[in-house]
Amino acid sequence: LAKTTQPISMDSYEGQEVNITCSHNNIATNDYITWYQQFPSQGPRFIIQGYKTKVTNEVASLFIPADRKSSTLSLPRVSLSDTAVYYCLVGGTLSSYKLIFGSGTRLLVRP
Amino acid sequence: DVKVTQSSRYLVKRTGEKVFLECVQDMDHENMFWYRQDPGLGLRLIYFSYDVKMKEKGDIPEGYSVSREKKERFSLILESASTNQTSMYLCASSSLTSGRDGTGELFFGEGSRLTVL
Repeated sequence: LAKTTQPISMDSYEGQEVNITCSHNNIATNDYITWYQQFPSQGPRFIIQGYKTKVTNEVASLFIPADRKSSTLSLPRVSLSDTAVYYCLVGGTLSSYKLIFGSGTRLLVRP
Repeated sequence: DVKVTQSSRYLVKRTGEKVFLECVQDMDHENMFWYRQDPGLGLRLIYFSYDVKMKEKGDIPEGYSVSREKKERFSLILESASTNQTSMYLCASSSLTSGRDGTGELFFGEGSRLTVL
């Protein structure tokens, strides 16, 4: 199973764009890349998923280079409420059921 | 609205007690998962189940067992609780086509915070 590596923490200010990069060198052909967000005392919730190139939804964009060994979650114009832990997962959907979370990236958005 | 319900938000147990954590989902999902979350360690997978009566070990199954007798219910059992099992326990469910656009999205419960004294 592909392991992921993310920065432990990041700081930003309101209104800035935040990019969080995840490394997954051993990603398998059938693996998807999924990002989750977790607020304190809550379970994680889905943000976005992609397989290759770029995916965008109302919350974020996900950039995946051709080799798929990394991915970047982009949060446009963050607000204080985006302060959370962000997890990158590889797998699921068409491959293994065994979904592994890493330690995540703790994003702090300052006023 | 989709829902994963964990039976207890907070539990306090004593060392050696048998502990049951219950999880119920109302989405008819095939897959169910138990994770534990500790500061600095993220979420670690304990067990998962992809069908009734089926289970597979995750990364940290030692000291735990699970039961899935019905599709909607997945129980985590601590046969003899120890202090190092003090943690937040999160249950999740999914299917191959769950979530928007069939992404296989995981739906989580609110968590059960277990303290073992």
